[in-house]
Amino acid sequence: KTQVEQSPQSLVVRQGENCVLQCNYSVTPDNHLRWFKQDTGKGLVSLTVLVDQKDKTSNGRYSATLDKDAKHSTLHITATLLDDTATYICVVGDRGSALGRLHFGAGTQLIVIP
Amino acid sequence: DMKVTQMPRYLIKRMGENVLLECGQDMSHETMYWYRQDPGLGLQLIYISYDVDSNSEGDIPKGYRVSRKKREHFSLILDSAKTNQTSVYFCASSLRDRDSGNTLYFGEGSRLIVV
Repeated sequence: KTQVEQSPQSLVVRQGENCVLQCNYSVTPDNHLRWFKQDTGKGLVSLTVLVDQKDKTSNGRYSATLDKDAKHSTLHITATLLDDTATYICVVGDRGSALGRLHFGAGTQLIVIP
Repeated sequence: DMKVTQMPRYLIKRMGENVLLECGQDMSHETMYWYRQDPGLGLQLIYISYDVDSNSEGDIPKGYRVSRKKREHFSLILDSAKTNQTSVYFCASSLRDRDSGNTLYFGEGSRLIVV
């Protein structure tokens, strides 16, 4: 059973618009949640990590929230650029060490058009 | 330069042939991983290696084996490849403490087609 669900599955926005990607999970325990960006044909690159019970992070035009009570996270992208076209993957870790498991969502495919 | 390098990037094999996928990292990370990525699914863990000759099965180890003889190298071997092993394979590495400060570093993937 999928323990990390991402929505929407795909999204098309115009350059300059903002967008919000959602991640809901059932992983227990939930030590941390990380968002990755995967360009087409490339590997995953970490964007941000959230750790606290109610956490917020900001990394340039990317900002993210985590609510562990709701087991829900959002990734906000502000003023999208064409280079933001990629798949965004939510990953929940059940421990803070390599002995723990990482649970991957299937990703949201974002397409930014001119 | 923090990098995970995978070779080959693209590979076509016939059913029943052996496949060797290689991965190297230059960060002296203790832990290395092999995942496969299929359309519509999250990455699935095949094997994890905690250090040299310290390997553990992941969620889908059947049909695969691994070798880690040096900390910087981790190989994935398919003995007698099957068509359902057509996929994109990703290698990753991390420090043993994988909390907020330490992320996974991924290679660019090895695209395997088994015909």
